[in-house]
Amino acid sequence: GAVVSQHPSWVICKSGTSVKIECRSLDFQATTMFWYRQFPKQSLMLMATSNEGSKATYEQGVEKDKFLINHASLTLSTLTVTSAHPEDSSFYICSALGLLSYNEQFFGPGTRLTVL
Amino acid sequence: AQTVTQSQPEMSVQEAETVTLSCTYDTSESDYYLFWYKQPPSRQMILVIRQEAYKQQNATENRFSVNFQKAAKSFSLKISDSQLGDAAMYFCAYRSGSNQFYFGTGTSLTVIP
Repeated sequence: GAVVSQHPSWVICKSGTSVKIECRSLDFQATTMFWYRQFPKQSLMLMATSNEGSKATYEQGVEKDKFLINHASLTLSTLTVTSAHPEDSSFYICSALGLLSYNEQFFGPGTRLTVL
Repeated sequence: AQTVTQSQPEMSVQEAETVTLSCTYDTSESDYYLFWYKQPPSRQMILVIRQEAYKQQNATENRFSVNFQKAAKSFSLKISDSQLGDAAMYFCAYRSGSNQFYFGTGTSLTVIP
């Protein structure tokens, strides 16, 4: 099946610093990638949808200047949490829609971010 | 906007028994997809089963099957012969015609040995 990787799998940073999370589709091209945030024992909350070569579409309430998303190629999307604060600590999950698998999204393993 | 509702925050089942997880959704679209995902403690989301709305036949994947009632906007998941490895959070998800995905709040399934 299609594989999506995320790097890093976990990261600890100091308040005020920026953190970049990479999401890669390893064996397929992804026209669309999604970024989710998940709090403990809660559902996935869609943060934004990114399409290759265009600006990301952010969900209501998500600060686009704080959560910068870049989808530079058909296999890579990045999420940068700028000026991170402890309340940004969470589990971030990306997923990708393949060119041929239009009705299914493939999930990355997630990144646990802890901001001290 | 579409909404997905899972009314059972927690469920438990005896090993080898059958359990049904419920899911309802709200939409005005006629063409869409529905999914059940499993999230074990590793937190990796795993696709369990999917259903195309235009198909009347209920999807089946080995021990997993769905009861899709389009008119009632209901999409329940039945797990037969439950195994310890089935213990996880289960999320129902809806995919709209514009590729937007909406997730339910999840059901935590415990399998009792």
